[in-house]
Amino acid sequence: DTAVSQTPKYLVTQMGNDKSIKCEQNLGHDTMYWYKQDSKKFLKIMFSYNNKELIINETVPNRFSPKSPDKAHLNLHINSLELGDSAVYFCASSQEPRFYNEQFFGPGTRLTVL
Amino acid sequence: AQKVTQAQTEISVVEKEDVTLDCVYETRDTTYYLFWYKQPPSGELVFLIRRNSFDEQNEISGRYSWNFQKSTSSFNFTITASQVVDSAVYFCALSEVDGGSQGNLIFGKGTKLSVKP
Repeated sequence: DTAVSQTPKYLVTQMGNDKSIKCEQNLGHDTMYWYKQDSKKFLKIMFSYNNKELIINETVPNRFSPKSPDKAHLNLHINSLELGDSAVYFCASSQEPRFYNEQFFGPGTRLTVL
Repeated sequence: AQKVTQAQTEISVVEKEDVTLDCVYETRDTTYYLFWYKQPPSGELVFLIRRNSFDEQNEISGRYSWNFQKSTSSFNFTITASQVVDSAVYFCALSEVDGGSQGNLIFGKGTKLSVKP
């Protein structure tokens, strides 16, 4: 069974569109994350989220919004897509405390904005 | 200032060579954790090791070993007798208990290791 899954694996869309990426974890973890990996492979956290708090990286545009229907899911919604949003987006999860526990990553979603 | 520095952008070695990947970190916390992750060409991120700031013992796991030195703020990773399957991008990461990162992982920029047959 896949621990952290993401759909879709590839997403190609036009500028200005709104899109969502779904993430599910079956590990029973408390905390989920979204990361962006740019073309130079630089990994940067966008959000971390558990039932109690959402922590947003201040550099993330407000066009990006995480939505969590329950503890096992953290979806990423992106409004008004821009060319610079093209990247690989990784979902991850971990148990709390987050500073101690390793994160388990999903396979990534490659987003291409044309 | 970069909190995690992996100065080697790319390294290329021939199979069976030993290779060390450098990682230097910066933090004011007394309690923190250091991690290494591997990203093979298939793209997934795989956890390799976690080390806390109070444990400076070196760790060995098969062909992999890690050298943690607080005095130089370094957490280097050595692969002995490298194999083609070791080809990947390797990321070092830091998490701080009290620092501004709120316990989240701060990744270095990664080192791409290519092992040629």
